[in-house]
Amino acid sequence: AQSVTQLGSHVSVSEGALVLLRCNYSSSVPPYLFWYVQYPNQGLQLLLKYTSAATLVKGINGFEAEFKKSETSFHLTKPSAHMSDAAEYFCAVSLTGGGNKLTFGTGTQLKVEL
Amino acid sequence: EAGVTQFPSHSVIEKGQTVTLRCDPISGHDNLYWYRRVMGKEIKFLLHFVKESKQDESGMPNNRFLAERTGGTYSTLKVQPAELEDSGVYFCASSPRGRALYEQYFGPGTRLTVT
Repeated sequence: AQSVTQLGSHVSVSEGALVLLRCNYSSSVPPYLFWYVQYPNQGLQLLLKYTSAATLVKGINGFEAEFKKSETSFHLTKPSAHMSDAAEYFCAVSLTGGGNKLTFGTGTQLKVEL
Repeated sequence: EAGVTQFPSHSVIEKGQTVTLRCDPISGHDNLYWYRRVMGKEIKFLLHFVKESKQDESGMPNNRFLAERTGGTYSTLKVQPAELEDSGVYFCASSPRGRALYEQYFGPGTRLTVT
């Protein structure tokens, strides 16, 4: 079985500061990893995905994440936060092969302050 | 191209009543998923359709929940009778055939409140 842990249910950063949202996973087989973002009153939107290709994955809106197998981590970063980045972010894992159901973390609410 | 749509956006019902949620996936997407987020908890998988067949329903909480996907197009999720613990946001997602492992496109969700 797979699981995801997101450290920090709420993260607050200043505009222009580094954004770092943490995600650790547990999986018995090589995983596929995802970050989704949910803006208020909208559905989940895929930010980026790791599917066993390059370990550093670039996504939309300047976000990127690095898959580190030794640390079982897939942290999300953005060099400079913008007010429009305020949203809830979800890390998710699915197993390679069969089913493809996503297992989500509990989400991290990102607040960006002036 | 229209995205995944869900109806209604909000539903408030009393305990013991029946509610039916609808999901229209992106046209041509064979895979359809239902997820639920109870307040303060993680988003949890409910079930997965491939066309009209249930591929995986391991996340369905109990037999008060019935999901259908007639003709392999839209899907409905019926809760009968509803209980207080069924409150939450129900998300639907879809993905294309052959690319099922790569991306699921989510709808805006239906917020269900059982009073």
